[in-house]
Amino acid sequence: DQQVKQNSPSLSVQEGRISILNCDYTNSMFDYFLWYKKYPAEGPTFLISISSIKDKNEDGRFTVFLNKSAKHLSLHIVPSQPGDSAVYFCAASAQAAGNKLTFGGGTRVLVKP
Amino acid sequence: KAGVTQTPRYLIKTRGQQVTLSCSPISGHRSVSWYQQTPGQGLQFLFEYFSETQRNKGNFPGRFSGRQFSNSRSEMNVSTLELGDSALYLCASSFRASSYNSPLHFGNGTRLTVT
Repeated sequence: DQQVKQNSPSLSVQEGRISILNCDYTNSMFDYFLWYKKYPAEGPTFLISISSIKDKNEDGRFTVFLNKSAKHLSLHIVPSQPGDSAVYFCAASAQAAGNKLTFGGGTRVLVKP
Repeated sequence: KAGVTQTPRYLIKTRGQQVTLSCSPISGHRSVSWYQQTPGQGLQFLFEYFSETQRNKGNFPGRFSGRQFSNSRSEMNVSTLELGDSALYLCASSFRASSYNSPLHFGNGTRLTVT
């Protein structure tokens, strides 16, 4: 039972344009959401997070939106840069679960120059 | 500040053997979590230790075990290896007991191949 889903396995975008990555979850206990970026042969690196009491969080070129009623979140990257080409993972946690993260399957982003 | 260090980076073992992977968290971090990444199942939570106590465990068989030492370093052990255990094993550390406002920091993983 996949509690966190990223339905788009890949995304291709032109440099300078916006990248939009989507993530859906089913567990109502999730109250904190994170996005990680992963390059080959490296561990995931933290990008941005949002708690369930907010609907938007921005950090530079990265913005995460949360729609609790739809159990949906998205990551916007603008403008996209070639160095953003990587696999992006959405993750969710519940406060009662400590540091346990439930990950989506990932979306591979390719930014074309 | 040094990041999360995992050793070894690569490991090849034979079915039936056992293996021990090591993780040194970021200095000052007391929580260490382990994840398994495979092409078919994605990133799956194995277990988490905080101050030497296992706090959470994922849905993995008892062949997967771990421990944490008083200096927060952690090891995970897989006994009676199966071909399906071939994966990238990732360790992550955190300062706090909850990921809330304290995201996990991951190491670069140990790539285990079982033949």
